Amino acid sequence: GESVGLHLPTLSVQEGDNSIINCAYSNSASDYFIWYKQESGKGPQFIIDIRSNMDKRQGQRVTVLLNKTVKHLSLQIAATQPGDSAVYFCAENFGSGGGADGLTFGKGTHLIIQP
Amino acid sequence: DAGITQSPRHKVTETGTPVTLRCHQTENHRYMYWYRQDPGHGLRLIHYSYGVKDTDKGEVSDGYSVSRSKTEDFLLTLESATSSQTSVYFCAIRAGGAGSETQYFGPGTRLLVL
Repeated sequence: GESVGLHLPTLSVQEGDNSIINCAYSNSASDYFIWYKQESGKGPQFIIDIRSNMDKRQGQRVTVLLNKTVKHLSLQIAATQPGDSAVYFCAENFGSGGGADGLTFGKGTHLIIQP
Repeated sequence: DAGITQSPRHKVTETGTPVTLRCHQTENHRYMYWYRQDPGHGLRLIHYSYGVKDTDKGEVSDGYSVSRSKTEDFLLTLESATSSQTSVYFCAIRAGGAGSETQYFGPGTRLLVL
């Protein structure tokens, strides 16, 4: 079935470098995407979202890029810090209920920051 | 945390016993959700609610029921717990106003079924 997936389960980067976390989706009807950060023992924390009518959106130290042609989503984290260590999930919504019927999540990428 | 609390935070129970998890929100959000999180599966939607007494099934609803008798509380019940229901359960609300689909999550409940 159609699902949201991730290219890499673990990503290790040096502190201060930029991180890029990738996500592939297969449902062309998806119109809303979210990135979440989850630290150990905690619930997912919203980072940034993007709608399908956009191809880029920036937040504080984070940028999300959406390439609808190849159904690819990425999260870029600038100047990675130790506090960025976590599992990152992408999620999509393609339901007809305007989001009322929940999100579909990828399996997550574990970002490890090396000193 | 979007004013979401979950109780209990941890629970150990035996196979065949009923279990109810509670999600409580303080900001009058209309939409509420229950997800489970398991290694290798990410988060999967169990049930959701779009108002008081209005609920619907998600991807993995078998073995679960829900109730929402008031806006602030969304209950998830395992009628007869099985070991396959050992998981971490997250409640979420949808916030941000009309047209927003952003969901915010509670701290989770760790359930172990022996």
